[in-house]
Amino acid sequence: EAGVAQSPRYKIIEKRQSVAFWCNPISGHATLYWYQQILGQGPKLLIQFQNNGVVDDSQLPKDRFSAERLKGVDSTLKIQPAKLEDSAVYLCASSFTQGHEQYFGPGTRLTVT
Amino acid sequence: ILNVEQSPQSLHVQEGDSTNFTCSFPSSNFYALHWYRWETAKSPEALFVMTLNGDEKKKGRISATLNTKEGYSYLYIKGSQPEDSATYLCAFFTGGGNKLTFGTGTQLKVEL
Repeated sequence: EAGVAQSPRYKIIEKRQSVAFWCNPISGHATLYWYQQILGQGPKLLIQFQNNGVVDDSQLPKDRFSAERLKGVDSTLKIQPAKLEDSAVYLCASSFTQGHEQYFGPGTRLTVT
Repeated sequence: ILNVEQSPQSLHVQEGDSTNFTCSFPSSNFYALHWYRWETAKSPEALFVMTLNGDEKKKGRISATLNTKEGYSYLYIKGSQPEDSATYLCAFFTGGGNKLTFGTGTQLKVEL
């Protein structure tokens, strides 16, 4: 069974630029999560989708971050414009449904200079 | 805001040493406690999902215990090997919230 795929794996941008990350969850998984892991901290949930609907985006900085999962499969996370403090690893995870074990992708390491 | 704490923050051991880490979490509204291993440049990998007070789980040289009444879990590695070098994360799951809250992790380095 293929795992959670993410791209790109690494990205370096300047502050005020835009960036987008892509995630392809495990086939058949209804729930998709985006986490932000800043160096020295644990992963923090940014947004959770159930199929193509948002379940929780309480910790998503909506003035600059957006995410979508239009067809209930792939998802993109966008930052516009990026700030220095957005430098982090962005992890995507999926689960069969809410409350089930989450499977993680390898993450995208973003550096904002 | 849920507070999940892990200690130590980092650990250097020699090959063959046994070691353990601690995860502390709120004892109220407990549903499950997850342990993950995260090697550099790889995906976090689930080690254990623990739900019952007194649970003990084992996977090869790695084992974990759970005390939900006092709000802690221990992860043990017996006879550490260089391939055990990784960050070990615990995550607290509240059924009502449907959300994993992660600790900051323990970074383990096993040296030859």
